[in-house]
Parts: sequence; C-alpha cells; structure tokens
Amino acid sequence: RKEVEQDPGPFNVPEGATVAFNCTYSNSASQSFFWYRQDCRKEPKLLMSVYSSGNEDGRFTAQLNRASQYISLLIRDSKLSDSATYLCVVNSNYQLIWGAGTKLIIKP
Amino acid sequence: GAGVSQSPRYKVAKRGQDVALRCDPISGHVSLFWYQQALGQGPEFLTYFQNEAQLDKSGLPSDRFFAERPEGSVSTLKIQRTQQEDSAVYLCASSFDLDRQTNYGYTFGSGTRLTVV
Repeated sequence: RKEVEQDPGPFNVPEGATVAFNCTYSNSASQSFFWYRQDCRKEPKLLMSVYSSGNEDGRFTAQLNRASQYISLLIRDSKLSDSATYLCVVNSNYQLIWGAGTKLIIKP
Repeated sequence: GAGVSQSPRYKVAKRGQDVALRCDPISGHVSLFWYQQALGQGPEFLTYFQNEAQLDKSGLPSDRFFAERPEGSVSTLKIQRTQQEDSAVYLCASSFDLDRQTNYGYTFGSGTRLTVV
C-alpha cells in the first residue's frame, strides 16, 4: 500500500461546477500536509497548506481529518484554468511524501 | 536568483553515457532536495542536503547515482552509465529551513527532463 493514495482520475467537470478530491495517508505521525498543483510538463507548485481546522483560499477549501487520515480539496466555481493535476503531499520528518496526483479537466 | 534554477531543461543521453544535472537553489536556502518524477507519478525522494552535508541519500536508486553540494549552495546530481529506466524528470527543491518547510512546503525548480535512448 502506498503511503499517500489518491484517485488518479481524470475528473471531467463542467466549468462552474464544484469538485472535490480526497487523499489518504498511512503515517499517523505525519506533521503537515499540502496540496500542490502541477500543469503538464511543469514543476509542482504549492497550492495551499492544509490545517486541522480547515482553511480556505478563495475558491479552494482544504480539510484535514487526522483521525481518519485523509485530506480533501474542494474547488468551487471551477474555471478552465483549474485544469491540472493536483498532488496531495504529506510531510513526515523532513521528507515530503507525494501522492501520484488526481487529474482534473474542466470543460467549457 | 528569484527561484530555483535547474539546468539543462532537457537532456538526451545515450545508454551508458554519464550525465550531470545542476541545481541552483534560492539564495540562503539551507535545505536542498532532489526528486525523480516518472510519467504519471508523483515525485519520489532521492536525496537531501542541509548546507553541504548530505543527510539522507536513501532514495538514490543505485550506486550509479551520486549527488553533491560542496559549498552548500549549487548541487549536482550525477548519473553514471545511464540506463533507459533512468528516463524521468529530475526535480530540485529548496527550503529556507526545516521549520518553514514543515509549514510552507518548498519551492521546486523547473526540472531536467532526462531521456535515455
């Protein structure tokens, strides 16, 4: 079993819809959590950190459930420019452990 | 520079050739990481430096892989006698320190896409 697991998708979603991704992790001692976005043939870029209390950044909301060891990302009012791969990342000690990513395609 | 800089962006190597990939981290960043990303996968950890000290090289897939950061800034990842399975994107990332990394993640370079033919 992988340390960080995500549904690879693709998620095909109409523009303006709300979409949610989940990610599960196996190491209960993990300290911090992130969502990264990666466009085709580009490097990953930090989208947002994920806090236990949940946090929001514009149309993006991240949630962490430590008891169940899962992380979620919600995107509201999706835009064409949101099309990308979303990578769930878990920090254990100094290492970031990456999921394989969920591919999102927003259709007009 | 303003970001993490990697060179070359693309490298095609013949099987058996040695290659050297360069990473120039953000000035002042103590931590430096190398990752390998295969197509359709998330990045996989290779090695970690704190300043010039290589504190973890457990992710290096074989003894053909070698990394150094002699002066605590620029780092080089060397792959000897390249094989086709080495074809991947090699990403370098840096962070000011581990505490900030814990809270804020780290910044990646654009990567070097290595193709071994």
